[in-house]
Amino acid sequence: EVQLVESGGDLVQPGGSLKLSCAASGFTFSGSTIHWVRQASGKGLEWVGRIRSKINSYATAYAASVKGRFTFSRDDSENTTYLQMNSLKTEDTAVYYCTRRQASFRPIDLWGQGTLVTVSS
Amino acid sequence: ETVLTQSPGTLSLSPGERATLSCRASQSVSSTYLAWFQQKPGQAPRLLIYGASSRAAGIPDRFSGSGSGTDFTLTIDRLEPEDFAVYYCQQYETSPEMFGQGTKLEIK
Repeated sequence: EVQLVESGGDLVQPGGSLKLSCAASGFTFSGSTIHWVRQASGKGLEWVGRIRSKINSYATAYAASVKGRFTFSRDDSENTTYLQMNSLKTEDTAVYYCTRRQASFRPIDLWGQGTLVTVSS
Repeated sequence: ETVLTQSPGTLSLSPGERATLSCRASQSVSSTYLAWFQQKPGQAPRLLIYGASSRAAGIPDRFSGSGSGTDFTLTIDRLEPEDFAVYYCQQYETSPEMFGQGTKLEIK
């Protein structure tokens, strides 16, 4: 089955850190760009950033709201991508989705089920 | 960055009617890189339209997309009960690949 499965969401205090994982199966993970999108409760979708494939030098891009605090990485041998979140703020509270884009001209066409990150004291 | 503004914020219609949703970009977006998503409560979004007008796999033909430049439209003909949801447009041409704020389609 073609799917993405996120894990690692938790309750964390402001200023803390958390690492999310996204495990892929059923497709050629190594050739895909993985984007992260988040959604605060009752709010819209916010693009967090992306990590490209090895052939594209694992290039990353980040939304301004998370740049310098969040870091993407991936382990193609494990078909897994990671989102390291540092210096967390209450406004980072959201469901975090990992998603797939298979080519630069293709849209996001696969979403995980999401994992909830709550930043609160 | 390219900001996407969707209108209306909420659209109240009855089953069988036609829905017209707008997505306006702050600067020109290539049609190749404009997508529409549908999201129902408690679910992840689902791709409906990509390349401004191409339907994703399994999407009924009552969904159609059009537009170019800065103005894009999602049209849903003959609304079915399962079509009432929130709809988002997204440009994926340049980073940040922003989403519009969404249009909630509700039953009148």
